[in-house]
Amino acid sequence: AQSVTQLGSHVSVSEGALVLLRCNYSSSVPPYLFWYVQYPNQGLQLLLKYTTGATLVKGINGFEAEFKKSETSFHLTKPSAHMSDAAEYFCAVSRGAGNNRKLIWGLGTSLAVNP
Amino acid sequence: DTAVSQTPKYLVTQMGNDKSIKCEQNLGHDTMYWYKQDSKKFLKIMFSYNNKELIINETVPNRFSPKSPDKAHLNLHINSLELGDSAVYFCASSHLQTGFHEQYFGPGTRLTVT
Repeated sequence: AQSVTQLGSHVSVSEGALVLLRCNYSSSVPPYLFWYVQYPNQGLQLLLKYTTGATLVKGINGFEAEFKKSETSFHLTKPSAHMSDAAEYFCAVSRGAGNNRKLIWGLGTSLAVNP
Repeated sequence: DTAVSQTPKYLVTQMGNDKSIKCEQNLGHDTMYWYKQDSKKFLKIMFSYNNKELIINETVPNRFSPKSPDKAHLNLHINSLELGDSAVYFCASSHLQTGFHEQYFGPGTRLTVT
C-alpha cells in the first residue's frame, strides 16, 4: 500500500537560504506524487506534481522537486527562501485506480522563514 | 470567480446540535471531497463523490452525512455534534478522468464545538 513520510515536522531557514523539505514514499506501482502548500488560514494549493516523464518538476513560486525512484524520494527545494514561503507543506501520493483513486497525505512540514 | 467555495467560514456551536456545511465548485470537475484537518494539521479524507455518486466513504461516524445534489455541490451535514468534531473541514474537487488527481481546495470551514 502506498504511504508518505515527511521527515521533519518543522523546518526553519533564513531568508535567502536554500529550502529543502523531505518526502519519501512507498508504492508498489509507479507513483503519482504531489506537493501542496497551505498558507495560514487558507485551503491547500497544488505546488507541483510528478506523473510520468521528466523527473525534475518545476512548480509555482520557484519550487521544484525531483523524483528519485532508487531513493523513493520526492524532495521539495527552492534555492532562496522568501518570507512569503512560510507555510505548511504536504507531500501526497495517489493511490487506487479508477473511481477509487485518492490522495494519501504526509503529516506535513511547517516551514518558518527567519529574517 | 472563486473556484471552490465553502459556507460558512466559521461555525461555533454547542454539543448535541446539528449543523451543515455547504460546498460549491465552478471548475466543471466531476469529483468532490470532504476532508477533516485536526489541530495538528493532519489531513484525513472523509468522503468522495463522483458524478453525484458516493465512491469513497472512510471510517467516519454515521453522524456525518454528505449529500451531492449535483456535480457542482457537495454538502456535509453533521448530527449530534461532539467536542471531537472540532476541526477545519475542507471541500475539494478534481477531474478524476484526467488521471492526475489534482485537487482544488476550498478555504475551509473552522468548526468549533463547545
